[in-house]
Amino acid sequence: QKEVEQDPGPLSVPEGAIVSLNCTYSNSAFQYFMWYRQYSRKGPELLMYTYSSGNKEDGRFTAQVDKSSKYISLFIRDSQPSDSATYLCAMSPISGGYNKLIFGAGTRLAVHP
Amino acid sequence: EPEVTQTPSHQVTQMGQEVILRCVPISNHLYFYWYRQILGQKVEFLVSFYNNEISEKSEIFDDQFSVERPDGSNFTLKIRSTKLEDSAMYFCASKPGTGYSNQPQHFGDGTRLSIL
Repeated sequence: QKEVEQDPGPLSVPEGAIVSLNCTYSNSAFQYFMWYRQYSRKGPELLMYTYSSGNKEDGRFTAQVDKSSKYISLFIRDSQPSDSATYLCAMSPISGGYNKLIFGAGTRLAVHP
Repeated sequence: EPEVTQTPSHQVTQMGQEVILRCVPISNHLYFYWYRQILGQKVEFLVSFYNNEISEKSEIFDDQFSVERPDGSNFTLKIRSTKLEDSAMYFCASKPGTGYSNQPQHFGDGTRLSIL
């Protein structure tokens, strides 16, 4: 079983739709969760991070963590064509300052006008 | 907003040659990382670096690879005797130090390494 599983998509939605992106993980040591956005030939750009179960909201983005189910989600409201990118979930154990990130495969999202 | 800077953006090298990939982390960050992403695959951890020494490395990071912080601003990844399978995007990342251990890592835009 892979440590982090993420549906690679692609996911195609109309502008204004609500998008749901998900990752599951197997390692219960993971306590710290991030979502990055990656445009073509660019580096991962941090969108959200959290280390609590529950929801965290930032503008049109909501990150949701369910540690009991080992499941995290990113919701994008009122999606825009500029949201078209690959979305990467990443996670690490909370202990220690230098912990590596384990990434999902990334989900390609296309928002069409 | 401060950012991680990587140079060059694209490096083309003959197989067997040595390459050095350069990174300028965000000023006052103390943890540094290298990751790589082979085309169509996941971003993979290579190495983390703190207090002038490697703190963790993956099984990918063998004797062919080395990292260095030659001065107060640069962080480099050296790949000796490059192989075709070293072709990938290489990302540098950094994060703040003590007291901010739960802050996320910030990534540069990467160096695309092409081995011929």
